[in-house]
Amino acid sequence: FMLTQPHSVSESPGKTVTISCTRSSGNIASNYVQWYQQRPGSSPTTVIYEDNQRPSGVPDRFSGSIDSSSNSASLTISGLKTEDEADYHCQSNDNTIPWVFGGGTKLTVL
Amino acid sequence: EVQLVQSGAEVKKPGESLKISCKGSGYSFINYWIGWVRQMPGKGLEWMGIIYPGDSDTKYSPSFQGQVTISADRSISTAYLQWTSLKASDTAMYYCARKGMGATHTVDYWGQGTLVTVSS
Repeated sequence: FMLTQPHSVSESPGKTVTISCTRSSGNIASNYVQWYQQRPGSSPTTVIYEDNQRPSGVPDRFSGSIDSSSNSASLTISGLKTEDEADYHCQSNDNTIPWVFGGGTKLTVL
Repeated sequence: EVQLVQSGAEVKKPGESLKISCKGSGYSFINYWIGWVRQMPGKGLEWMGIIYPGDSDTKYSPSFQGQVTISADRSISTAYLQWTSLKASDTAMYYCARKGMGATHTVDYWGQGTLVTVSS
């Protein structure tokens, strides 16, 4: 299966942005979805795991959700800051493939 | 503190072989799966394969099966990614990553990345 993300999104500081991740086949709710933030020149870091859990140190401005009707996951970032500007990658799995990544979404905060 | 420290950047010619490494520290290396992820310039993340150092059980993505070899040396807590004949299209950043404990498929730690450049 594939995970499809928008190539890019942009929003102003202080606003809220949502990034989608649509699963091509299989039920999105059958396997957990993770979200990773990757700033330019850096390794990815986890911002959401197991659909909606935040690792310690990740601000509660970051939230994750699942929508079975659209077979998609979403990452929502509220109160946008310039430091949130980065690439965001969703990731899930199936019974044979442990890591399937989406194509990544470039978030611009302007 | 958990760390995955990767070997340094490499510049190679097409047809050459290469082995890059990922040394784990701060945790029990044999008890966690270690995977390799490719990121081509300006592109997304691609899973290549994963190894369980405890018993060397290894799984490959169909896209990379036969193209690379993943191995691990438990005695020095190090995982490897190897090519026998590089191509220009192998130019990319390569990350090692630790899969969280148990049933989770979350990556909880990433290496700093190894940039591989293949050019004649």
